[in-house]
Amino acid sequence: AQRVTQPEKLLSVFKGAPVELKCNYSYSGSPELFWYVQYSRQRLQLLLRHISRESIKGFTADLNKGETSFHLKKPFAQEEDSAMYYCALTPGGSYIPTFGRGTSLIVHP
Amino acid sequence: KAGVTQTPRYLIKTRGQQVTLSCSPISGHRSVSWYQQTPGQGLQFLFEYFSETQRNKGNFPGRFSGRQFSNSRSEMNVSTLELGDSALYLCASSEGLHQYFGAGTRLSVL
Repeated sequence: AQRVTQPEKLLSVFKGAPVELKCNYSYSGSPELFWYVQYSRQRLQLLLRHISRESIKGFTADLNKGETSFHLKKPFAQEEDSAMYYCALTPGGSYIPTFGRGTSLIVHP
Repeated sequence: KAGVTQTPRYLIKTRGQQVTLSCSPISGHRSVSWYQQTPGQGLQFLFEYFSETQRNKGNFPGRFSGRQFSNSRSEMNVSTLELGDSALYLCASSEGLHQYFGAGTRLSVL
C-alpha cells in the first residue's frame, strides 16, 4: 500500500525566510511524486512533479529515495505563497494518486 | 482557451437518490480524472478516463461510476447516495505533463 505523510498541518514563516514543506512517503516500488497547491478561493493546481524537474514559482522538490521524501523548498518565501499544499504519490507508470492531508503555509509580512 | 468546467457547482440530494456530475475538459485534453475532497478523508482519487476508457480507478465502491464521451467530456455518477458522499467533487483534465482542475461540484446529501 502507498502512503503519503505531511507531518505539519500548519507552517508559519515570515516573508523572506526559507520554506520547507515536508512530504514523506511509503511505497515499495518506483513512485512518481507531485506537489499540488490551492490558494484561497482558487482551484487546485499542479505545482510540480518530480519527473519534470522544473522549478515553479521558485519552488523546487527533490525525490530522495533513500529517505523516502519529497520535500518542497523555496529559499525566500513571499506572502503570495500562502496556500494549502498537498503532496501526492502514484505508482510509476500509472495514475492512481494517494494524497497527503496537506500543509497550510502562512507567510507573514 | 477555456478552462475545465464542472456543472453543476452545487447540488443537494437526499439519501438513496442518485446524482450525475459533469466535467468538460480543456480542448485537446484526452484525460479526465475525478477526485473527492472531504474534511475527514482529504483528497481521494476516484478514477481516470482516457479516450473514453477508464484507465485507472481508486478505491471507491461500485456506486461510484463514470464515463467519458468522444469529445472527452466526462460524467461521474453516484447511485444510492449516502450521507458520507457529501463532498467537493473535483475533476481535472490532463494532456502530457499538464493538468488543470475544475472549480468542483459541492454535493450535499441530506
